[in-house]
Amino acid sequence: EPEVTQTPSHQVTQMGQEVILRCVPISNHLYFYWYRQILGQKVEFLVSFYNNEISEKSEIFDDQFSVERPDGSNFTLKIRSTKLEDSAMYFCASRDLAGGQYFGPGTRLTVT
Amino acid sequence: EDKVVQSPLSLVVHEGDTVTLNCSYEVTNFRSLLWYKQEKKAPTFLFMLTSSGIEKKSGRLSSILDKKELFSILNITATQTGDSAIYLCAVEVGWWTGANNLFFGTGTRLTVIP
Repeated sequence: EPEVTQTPSHQVTQMGQEVILRCVPISNHLYFYWYRQILGQKVEFLVSFYNNEISEKSEIFDDQFSVERPDGSNFTLKIRSTKLEDSAMYFCASRDLAGGQYFGPGTRLTVT
Repeated sequence: EDKVVQSPLSLVVHEGDTVTLNCSYEVTNFRSLLWYKQEKKAPTFLFMLTSSGIEKKSGRLSSILDKKELFSILNITATQTGDSAIYLCAVEVGWWTGANNLFFGTGTRLTVIP
């Protein structure tokens, strides 16, 4: 069964460094998302992406964040200058026209 | 402010019991309601509900939506230890059938004791 994949599974970085989290959505899906979950808290929406542009973004998704679909398969989330409070599990998700959103296994980001 | 509330927050049952998990919501621009199971990491998709009163079933799990009273329930019959997880309710909100985001509740932690 097709699935969303994410790399790396765990990323440790120092405050102020840039990180890029990578995702490969399910191949025939059209809509792509990033969510995050801080330990012990609920899953929060960051950004949605469709037709090579951002559809919607939350208040969390400030100028430090950006997304890109550099080719036909990858979908990336970049954090330019990480802060301690960016430590969280980051989930990529994708969906087709009519179905539910399918989540990847997540990348645990630890900012020290 | 959009709100999704799940109850109970946690539940401990014995194998073979039947459980009902609740989700109520207050959102603008409701599109659909989804249930996910979260074990160690990623939420795993269970159901997507868009119409009131139509039950969706998958094995021992079933779910129904009431768009008038703004809630959904997830039933699990004959529970097994493998059902132990956090069950997340999420509401899809948006203006059009496109890249709408999900608004999640805090989840119900279900523990099934052998």
